[in-house]
Amino acid sequence: DAGITQSPRHKVTETGTPVTLRCHQTENHRYMYWYRQDPGHGLRLIHYSYGVKDTDKGEVSDGYSVSRSKTEDFLLTLESATSSQTSVYFCAISGTSGGYEQYFGPGTRLTVT
Amino acid sequence: AQSVTQLGSHVSVSEGALVLLRCNYSSSVPPYLFWYVQYPNQGLQLLLKYTSAATLVKGINGFEAEFKKSETSFHLTKPSAHMSDAAEYFCAVSPSGTASKLTFGTGTRLQVTL
Repeated sequence: DAGITQSPRHKVTETGTPVTLRCHQTENHRYMYWYRQDPGHGLRLIHYSYGVKDTDKGEVSDGYSVSRSKTEDFLLTLESATSSQTSVYFCAISGTSGGYEQYFGPGTRLTVT
Repeated sequence: AQSVTQLGSHVSVSEGALVLLRCNYSSSVPPYLFWYVQYPNQGLQLLLKYTSAATLVKGINGFEAEFKKSETSFHLTKPSAHMSDAAEYFCAVSPSGTASKLTFGTGTRLQVTL
């Protein structure tokens, strides 16, 4: 299995509070991604990174920001959590060869009350 | 632009029967195509990938998929279903040759009955 961890694995927070999710990899892969998974929508890309301090928006980036100060860590921040951000969040990584397939972390289940 | 359509959000088969999960894609450039499997409360695991080599791709757990350009399809099959195959399956597409963003289908939940 690809060396990807996510923390926390579960979190309950209140509307309006900031939340930061962490993704850590031990594979030294260049690309990292944050997705959210919701019933009926599959996985939707929030933000991705193509190198340290290099990030870009995905299709559902509103209300989220990211940072990548080291190759191994990619942080996702919900600036002011809303109930619509209740979801399961997955981090993924990919390298620079082959089919560029992505490998996924175990996920973080976030509930905003 | 690219998109993926998975026909059937739920598929039920008997143990030992053929598994067929359908995926059609739309891509403005030659695509890379992937199938992932997700077991309950877990992340996604790569089953197989098509990267413009052989059109029939074999993956893990006895699954395979065939790339058919004329039909813009990449259907997933397994000759004989096992109870352990019960999971959700996602098809995904990306432009070939780059570590670009994957576009996922909405998933198909496979149920295997005795």
